[in-house]
Amino acid sequence: AQTVTQSQPEMSVQEAETVTLSCTYDTSENNYYLFWYKQPPSRQMILVIRQEAYKQQNATENRFSVNFQKAAKSFSLKISDSQLGDTAMYFCAFRSRGGSQGNLIFGKGTKLSVKP
Amino acid sequence: EAQVTQNPRYLITVTGKKLTVTCSQNMNHEYMSWYRQDPGLGLRQIYYSMNVEVTDKGDVPEGYKVSRKEKRNFPLILESPSPNQTSLYFCASSWSAGSYEQYFGPGTRLTVT
Repeated sequence: AQTVTQSQPEMSVQEAETVTLSCTYDTSENNYYLFWYKQPPSRQMILVIRQEAYKQQNATENRFSVNFQKAAKSFSLKISDSQLGDTAMYFCAFRSRGGSQGNLIFGKGTKLSVKP
Repeated sequence: EAQVTQNPRYLITVTGKKLTVTCSQNMNHEYMSWYRQDPGLGLRQIYYSMNVEVTDKGDVPEGYKVSRKEKRNFPLILESPSPNQTSLYFCASSWSAGSYEQYFGPGTRLTVT
């Protein structure tokens, strides 16, 4: 069974600085997707960035980028130029590309606080 | 606008009173699922549906039922709610079980007293 581990329950960063959130996962599969979701106080699940496992190039979306290390099963999220609006829970998630259940496997989350 | 809608957004009920949380998507997706979110546990899948009339248990199905009579709708039914079902519930949909993109509804906050 796949598992996703986020080892940092809480983190804080000063506005305009850079922060990295850690995520490791365990799977025996070769074809899968990885995601980072943001959950602000509104509780909406917002997709931040995603990565296909077969792509070696790390995904980037504006101030958000990932460091995908497939052999190490690591998928960290880097937020550059942190803004107050980045304050939220962040979840790392895994989805099998060939699985029949189709579920996202989520980590327990990292609560990020951006301080002015 | 492509979206997944859920109703109600907030619900407070008492133990044993049957309730239904509705979920609807307008993207003609075949795959739909329900998750619950609890503090410190992340999101866990309750039930999923691969298509109309095809549903199956997820990781935490006890105490829940679902149905999929139409492609766009996937209601979550709690026949006899208990306090341990107090949680935040999300409906999600995608083209298939292995899709790159999955759309989440806005969430339903359920409190069972």
